[in-house]
Amino acid sequence: DTEVTQTPKHLVMGMTNKKSLKCEQHMGHRAMYWYKQKAKKPPELMFVYSYEKLSINESVPSRFSPECPNSSLLNLHLHALQPEDSALYLCASSQDRAFSGANVLTFGAGSRLTVL
Amino acid sequence: RKEVEQDPGPFNVPEGATVAFNCTYSNSASQSFFWYRQDCRKEPKLLMSVYSSGNEDGRFTAQLNRASQYISLLIRDSKLSDSATYLCVVNMGNTGGFKTIFGAGTRLFVKA
Repeated sequence: DTEVTQTPKHLVMGMTNKKSLKCEQHMGHRAMYWYKQKAKKPPELMFVYSYEKLSINESVPSRFSPECPNSSLLNLHLHALQPEDSALYLCASSQDRAFSGANVLTFGAGSRLTVL
Repeated sequence: RKEVEQDPGPFNVPEGATVAFNCTYSNSASQSFFWYRQDCRKEPKLLMSVYSSGNEDGRFTAQLNRASQYISLLIRDSKLSDSATYLCVVNMGNTGGFKTIFGAGTRLFVKA
């Protein structure tokens, strides 16, 4: 199994809603990532978890709240988002970010979020 | 200066053409290097890793020059299906491990 699975594929939410994006991998990878991607821009790193601990938070607003319940799962909780937060949210995993050669990212298909 | 910079593109080439993309990185401590391909409205997918000795995978050749902090990708005999955005990706040392940095991407359009 070499996949990263993200749900939902599409999400439309209002600015007062609370929703969550989910990500799952069964490759035994110990690092998991959330990226945000706007149209015609590269993926922009949001959070990194390594061995289920938050390693990197790229100064992301608190309306985005990550959670790593176990080594296979990664969630992104969304609350009080703004229309400018509409984007493709990509989850990725890598074998181990402690070693450069093992830090090759595999991406999920993404969750396309629209905030009204 | 951006940590990873790429040719802006877009590149518009006819089928069968050879096209080359360039990328530079600013952190000399960068350890590993990759090219990813991203199709429209899809996720990035690993195309190939890049090694100092150079590596080839079919019509694709990647090169790394550590002294110049420069990475390249050559595509020979372009196909319509090669149309995509090509992302230069670098692993840089960071607290607790490595951090993956993406270049802005170069868009390629291959025309019949």
